[in-house]
Amino acid sequence: AQSVTQLGSHVSVSEGALVLLRCNYSSSVPPYLFWYVQYPNQGLQLLLKYTSAATLVKGINGFEAEFKKSETSFHLTKPSAHMSDAAEYFCAVSKNQGGKLIFGQGTELSVKP
Amino acid sequence: EAGVTQFPSHSVIEKGQTVTLRCDPISGHDNLYWYRRVMGKEIKFLLHFVKESKQDESGMPNNRFLAERTGGTYSTLKVQPAELEDSGVYFCASSRRLAGQETQYFGPGTRLLVL
Repeated sequence: AQSVTQLGSHVSVSEGALVLLRCNYSSSVPPYLFWYVQYPNQGLQLLLKYTSAATLVKGINGFEAEFKKSETSFHLTKPSAHMSDAAEYFCAVSKNQGGKLIFGQGTELSVKP
Repeated sequence: EAGVTQFPSHSVIEKGQTVTLRCDPISGHDNLYWYRRVMGKEIKFLLHFVKESKQDESGMPNNRFLAERTGGTYSTLKVQPAELEDSGVYFCASSRRLAGQETQYFGPGTRLLVL
């Protein structure tokens, strides 16, 4: 069975600081991995996805994530946080390109001025 | 191109009542998914339609939940009778396979509160 663990339900950073949101997965097959973001009162928006083409994946809004098979991790980073990055972030895994997504618990990111 | 839309945005009902949620996917998307997030928990998969057929309904919690997608366009999720533990945010997502790639696009969700 597949599962996802996001370490830290709340992360707070200062504007301009590095953003690091952690995600570890468990999968019996090569996984497809996703990061979604939810801004207040909006739906989930795809930030980036890993589909085995490249281990370092670049997404929208300056975010990127690195797939590390040995660590079963897919951490999300951004070099410099902006106030507009404040949102909830979800890591997800699936067995296939299509099909159901298994989500982590979500991480609420706060950005302090 | 319009995104995934869901109706209503909020619903407050009493235990034992019936509620029907609607999802309109992006035009041309054959795949339609329902997910639910109970407060304080992770987003969980409910079911997956391919056109009008149920591809995977392994996440449906019990037989009080009925999902339909007649004609392969919009979908409804009915909860009858609603219980307190059904409260949460219900998300719909749609996708289509293009050049071997597939991305699920999510709607804003319906916030259901059962009192």
